[in-house]
Amino acid sequence: AQTVTQSQPEMSVQEAETVTLSCTYDTSESNYYLFWYKQPPSRQMILVIRQEAYKQQNATENRFSVNFQKAAKSFSLKISDSQLGDTAMYFCAFYRGTSGSRLTFGEGTQLTVNP
Amino acid sequence: GAVVSQHPSWVICKSGTSVKIECRSLDFQATTMFWYRQFPKQSLMLMATSNEGSKATYEQGVEKDKFLINHASLTLSTLTVTSAHPEDSSFYICSARDLTSGNTGELFFGEGSRLTVL
Repeated sequence: AQTVTQSQPEMSVQEAETVTLSCTYDTSESNYYLFWYKQPPSRQMILVIRQEAYKQQNATENRFSVNFQKAAKSFSLKISDSQLGDTAMYFCAFYRGTSGSRLTFGEGTQLTVNP
Repeated sequence: GAVVSQHPSWVICKSGTSVKIECRSLDFQATTMFWYRQFPKQSLMLMATSNEGSKATYEQGVEKDKFLINHASLTLSTLTVTSAHPEDSSFYICSARDLTSGNTGELFFGEGSRLTVL
């Protein structure tokens, strides 16, 4: 079974600075997908970024980028130029790639962006 | 992206009554929907996988007779909390995949439903 671990329950960053959230996972699969979702105070889950395991290039979405280290099974999220609206719970998630399979979520990291 | 709508967004009920939560995929067909439960400041806990036209697959420890899931069409799944008790109070979230754009695994989430049982 796959497991996803987020070792930072809480983090804070000053507005406009950069922060990195950590995520590690365990799997025996060779092809899979990794995600970062954010859950702001509204509780609506929003996709931040997606990485396909067979792609070596790290995914980037505007101020959000990942550092995907397949051999180390690490998938960290970097948020540049942090904004107050980035304050949210961030979940790392793993998908095995088989239709109908679940997403396995990490425990989450509560990020607070301070003015 | 695809849109999933969940209703009601919040509901208060008396102990012993039943509550139904609806989850609709608005612009795509969802053969599979997932129901999660979330406690404050915790991760999402998968309750069951809902498959259109067949019985739901429940996770270990989830009472199928208490949490009835029906997926009668490709755009609608419902979760009914039967004989609700205060310990059932929680945030419930549904999600679905839009497979027309490929099997990337991305889940689209409903807005969630806050259930409070008095």
